[in-house]
Amino acid sequence: GENVEQHPSTLSVQEGDSAVIKCTYSDSASNYFPWYKQELGKGPQLIIDIRSNVGEKKDQRIAVTLNKTAKHFSLHITETQPEDSAVYFCAASTNTGNQFYFGTGTSLTVIP
Amino acid sequence: DTGVSQDPRHKITKRGQNVTFRCDPISEHNRLYWYRQTLGQGPEFLTYFQNEAQLEKSRLLSDRFSAERPKGSFSTLEIQRTEQGDSAMYLCASSLGSMAQHFGDGTRLSIL
Repeated sequence: GENVEQHPSTLSVQEGDSAVIKCTYSDSASNYFPWYKQELGKGPQLIIDIRSNVGEKKDQRIAVTLNKTAKHFSLHITETQPEDSAVYFCAASTNTGNQFYFGTGTSLTVIP
Repeated sequence: DTGVSQDPRHKITKRGQNVTFRCDPISEHNRLYWYRQTLGQGPEFLTYFQNEAQLEKSRLLSDRFSAERPKGSFSTLEIQRTEQGDSAMYLCASSLGSMAQHFGDGTRLSIL
């Protein structure tokens, strides 16, 4: 089955700096890669996703890049704000969407 | 609120008891997923439904776990003869086909 690894497990940045979280996957059949933000006591919230026919996607301060050859994808958050502090999860799935495999999460702290 | 709804939010029970959780998906979503999340980990896929059909259940943790979605709308997850190791957050998500999954805020299960 698919194995998704996520790094780093914790990340602290100063407000206004950028944050980058990286994930690797093992199954070349995976072609859908969402990113979720989870706040304490809440369920994961989708923040951005990318499909394998695209190399990069951007939504305001958030961007995701995908390298299919190397089987890795990354989340980039620019101009970080304290409200960006949360746990972020990457995930991978095939196009059928019948199983999603999540990384172990990155706890991001934005220091005011 | 038209998001995914889970009930109850918290469940405390004694070891050996049976518990049942309910999930109401976003109304137009035909797929429904159950996950388990333990502290410091990403969501772990358990099972999923497309309409009322349970299309993947090989990753249910044991035969004590079962799920139903009788009319293709809400779903229930039952754990029989609960054990200490069942303590976790149980998350439900729904999607329209293989589009992005939207999560509820989960049911936190504590086994005494």
